[in-house]
Amino acid sequence: EVQLLESGGGLAQPGGSLRLSCAASGFSFDTYAMTWVRQAPGKGLQWVSTLSGSGDTAIYADSVEGRFTISRDNSRSTLYLQMNNLRAEDTAIYFCAKVPISEVVTHYFPSWGQGALVTVSS
Amino acid sequence: QSVLTQPPSVSAAPGQRVTISCSGSSSNIGKNLVSWYQQFPGTAPKLLIYDNRERVSGIPDRFSGSRSGTAATLAITGVQTGDEADYYCGSWDTNLYASVFGGGTKLTVL
Repeated sequence: EVQLLESGGGLAQPGGSLRLSCAASGFSFDTYAMTWVRQAPGKGLQWVSTLSGSGDTAIYADSVEGRFTISRDNSRSTLYLQMNNLRAEDTAIYFCAKVPISEVVTHYFPSWGQGALVTVSS
Repeated sequence: QSVLTQPPSVSAAPGQRVTISCSGSSSNIGKNLVSWYQQFPGTAPKLLIYDNRERVSGIPDRFSGSRSGTAATLAITGVQTGDEADYYCGSWDTNLYASVFGGGTKLTVL
């Protein structure tokens, strides 16, 4: 059974940084791309970033490009999201999700973690 | 502002059929596959439909998906109170080179 467990959420000040982690189990982690999707309070889903299974291709939403960095440690089956220069509008629940293939171009996300809350406020 | 457009809400009486629309463009739904997700308050989204009409294992056949041109539809027949949730469509956008979602539709079962 696929399991994804996010951690690292919390309160950060505007301009500050946080790093989210997503521990994966139940599948061959390095075979699949992984993604981050966020949901602001009371709002819809917003795709943030996707990283290929090998870790050599990353894509980002325009709203986070240059501020967020997605990475992975395949030896630890863990996905990361380094968030710098945080803004109030980054406040959201951040979900990690498994992609059904190893490349970043994907039409769906079959498995999701429970999410980690990030609050950006002074 | 979401790339894919969904109605904010739909409602139906128990046992009725309800449809949720998802409108896109030639760069997303028009040339790429569509997926549908169900989300209950305080929980993670759950994949229901992928590749336009393929149901995930374990999803009742009351749920079905279709696509025509630049629009997709999720249909739920025999709606139940337990189906009350938010529903999101998703796809890939070739021009944006990004995954995209609709704004979500809240289903109320009256």
